[in-house]
Amino acid sequence: EVQLVESGGGLIQPGGSLRLSCAASGFTVSSNYMTWVRQAPGKGLEWVSVIYSGGNTYYADSVKGRFTISRDNSKNTLYLQMNSLRADDTAVYYCASIGYWGQGTLVTVSS
Amino acid sequence: DIVMTQTPLSLSVTPGQPASISCKSSQSLLHSDGKTYLYWYLQKPGQPPQLLIYEVSNRFSGVPDRFSGSGSGTDFTLKISRVEAEDVGVYYCMQSIQLLTFGGGTKVEIK
Repeated sequence: EVQLVESGGGLIQPGGSLRLSCAASGFTVSSNYMTWVRQAPGKGLEWVSVIYSGGNTYYADSVKGRFTISRDNSKNTLYLQMNSLRADDTAVYYCASIGYWGQGTLVTVSS
Repeated sequence: DIVMTQTPLSLSVTPGQPASISCKSSQSLLHSDGKTYLYWYLQKPGQPPQLLIYEVSNRFSGVPDRFSGSGSGTDFTLKISRVEAEDVGVYYCMQSIQLLTFGGGTKVEIK
């Protein structure tokens, strides 16, 4: 059974940093393209970042230069390093790979 | 950037009746590999999105056959042949031919 489990969310002040993790089981992170998708309260889905199997990474304009996606193949885990956080980054962050999604982790940016 | 436009924004359906959701992309989603990278997701209340349809018309594992997808190029449709109470939620289309983009969502409720 495939499981993606996110962690690392929480309450953070504007300008702060957080690192989200997504631990995979029954699924090989490095063999698939992995994404981070977020959903602000009461809003739709917004793609944030993707890392392809070859290692190429891409970002939405809204997070470019502030967020970094990476993976640790030995731990079969996906990461999202989020710096210079703003109030409009407040959302549930999901890791996903097309057919498989985690339950999400809530990031709240507020003073 | 590819823009995905869904209509209608919301739908109220009597159980047992059909429903249809449209999704239009600003560019063709047909790749040179012959595949069309259009997906449909359902997000039930309080849950992460779940994949219903991949590559326009292929039902994901475990998806009931009352769900079907069709279309080509830039115009796509998700049909539910007979809506059931468990089908309520927000439906999203998504493209992955050029990074990822989601449609704005269609909320389906039961009359």
